[in-house]
Formats: sequence, C-alpha cells, structure tokens
Amino acid sequence: AQTVTQSQPEMSVQEAETVTLSCTYDTSESDYYLFWYKQPPSRQMILVIRQEAYKQQNATENRFSVNFQKAAKSFSLKISDSQLGDAAMYFCAYRSPNSGNTPLVFGKGTRLSVIA
Amino acid sequence: NAGVMQNPRHLVRRRGQEARLRCSPMKGHSHVYWYRQLPEEGLKFMVYLQKENIIDESGMPKERFSAEFPKEGPSILRIQQVVRGDSAAYFCASSPQDGFSYNSPLHFGNGTRLTVT
Repeated sequence: AQTVTQSQPEMSVQEAETVTLSCTYDTSESDYYLFWYKQPPSRQMILVIRQEAYKQQNATENRFSVNFQKAAKSFSLKISDSQLGDAAMYFCAYRSPNSGNTPLVFGKGTRLSVIA
Repeated sequence: NAGVMQNPRHLVRRRGQEARLRCSPMKGHSHVYWYRQLPEEGLKFMVYLQKENIIDESGMPKERFSAEFPKEGPSILRIQQVVRGDSAAYFCASSPQDGFSYNSPLHFGNGTRLTVT
C-alpha cells in the first residue's frame, strides 16, 4: 500500500520569506498523481498544486511551486513571498491512476505559521 | 455553482447515541467519498459511493459505521452507538461521473466535527 510521510509536524516562516515543506512517499507504481492541499482554520480543504509523475517539469502555481524528485520519491512544496494568509495545515497526498476513482492517501500534515 | 455541502458543521452526541452526517455533492457529481480526520492527523479514506452503490468501503470500521448515497438526496454517513474514539472531523468529497483526474481533482466539503461526550 502507498504511504505518504510528512516529517515536519510544524514549520514557521517570516512574512515575505520562502519556506519549503517536505513530503516523501512510498509506491511501486511508475505513474501516479501528487497533490498539496491547504487546510486553514476554517477546515476547508483547498487544492494548492498538483503534479503528474510522468511529467518531469515541476508544477508551479503563482507563489507555490514543487520540487518533484521521482527517483527519491520526494515531493516538496515551496512557498515564496509568504503571506499571513498562508498560515494553515498543509497536506501532501498521493493517488494511484490504476482505476478511475481510487482514493487519495494523505500524509499527517505540516502546520505552517507565518510570523509578521 | 455551489460546492460540496456538509451538515451539520458541528455535532455533539453522548456515548451510545447515533450520529448522522449529511453530504450533498457538487452539482453534476455522482461520486462521493468520505474521509475521517482525527486530531493532528491527515485525512483517512473511509468509503467511496456512487448513486445507490457502495464501490469501496475498505476504510470503514466493520461495526457501527454505514454509508449510503440514495438516488435522491444527500449521502449519509451513519455512526451507531458512538464512542469517544469516534470524535473527529468527517469530510465528504465529490467528483464528476467520469471519475476524478488530474484536471478534475476531488472537491471537499468543510467537514462535520463530531464530538462524543
């Protein structure tokens, strides 16, 4: 079974600085999807960024980018120019493409604090 | 286009009571997933349903938990004889009929926080 590990329970960053959240996963599949979700105190799960494993180019969404290292099974999230609104729990998630609706497998999350 | 709607937002039950959590998927979505989030944990998959069918319930506890998604109305997650360990946030997500893909990821509701006293 696939597993997702987020080794940093908590991280903090100064406003306007850059922070990187780490995520590793374990799988025997060659193709899959990876996601980062943000969960603010409102509890809403917000998709931040996604990556297809067969794409070598790292995904980027405005201030959010990933460093996808397929051989190392690593999928870190970089947040540039951090803002107070970035404070939240961040979850890394894995999905197998083997069937149309396999569920997401989540890591335990990293709580990010942004210091003004 | 309204998102995934879950209610109630908060639910308090005493030990031994029943809890019913409701989820209305996004318009046009016929696939529903339930996840449970324990304190300081990530979301854990419980069950995947299509209209009138349970497709995958590999994450559901064998006893006291059940789920349905009738032809009409919301999906219901039912927990009978609740215990303190059932206290958690329960999330529902939905996807379109053709399944979710890179271009159409899961859409989550805001969750129901169940507290068992």
